[in-house]
Amino acid sequence: AQKVTQAQTEISVVEKEDVTLDCVYETRDTTYYLFWYKQPPSGELVFLIRRNSFDEQNEISGRYSWNFQKSTSSFNFTITASQVVDSAVYFCALGLPVQKLVFGTGTRLLVSP
Amino acid sequence: DVKVTQSSRYLVKRTGEKVFLECVQDMDHENMFWYRQDPGLGLRLIYFSYDVKMKEKGDIPEGYSVSREKKERFSLILESASTNQTSMYLCASGPVVTRAYEQYFGPGTRLTVT
Repeated sequence: AQKVTQAQTEISVVEKEDVTLDCVYETRDTTYYLFWYKQPPSGELVFLIRRNSFDEQNEISGRYSWNFQKSTSSFNFTITASQVVDSAVYFCALGLPVQKLVFGTGTRLLVSP
Repeated sequence: DVKVTQSSRYLVKRTGEKVFLECVQDMDHENMFWYRQDPGLGLRLIYFSYDVKMKEKGDIPEGYSVSREKKERFSLILESASTNQTSMYLCASGPVVTRAYEQYFGPGTRLTVT
């Protein structure tokens, strides 16, 4: 069965703190993709990153970084020096053959000034 | 920029009404999707379409149908709305498989069925 688990329902931090959002996935497919999306209060999901199953290199983009570990089936997302504008719901998703995305339940991040 | 638009941001309907949710994309994408988003459940796929007049059931198709008469437009239909269909509905579109499952989302329609 394909499944994405985001165990953290809600996280509250103070501005400038670092925060890590966890994502654990399950699939028997050998080829798959992993995604992170951000959903700000406006509601529209914004694509952040895509990773394929053959590329375990970590990625950094500004204050955002992603750690992909196949050994633990995890694809965690870290925000360094968080800002109020980072407040949103973040979804991890698993991309499968025939282009379906399986989403986790989301983690609500609240960054206070 | 890719743009996916949905006909309404907020919609209130009565139980038993037929409801149409419209989605239009302007990037000539072959694939289009309808999801519903509920607290604690994340996004769940209702239906998707790979081409005009083609449709495939997602994980929760019961109570819904879809129509894709033109490439840019994908409609979600609630034949007889019920209160358990109160939810946020998100439409997405994406290019073919060579673009690795990218999906671009619209702003969502928050539907309330009373």
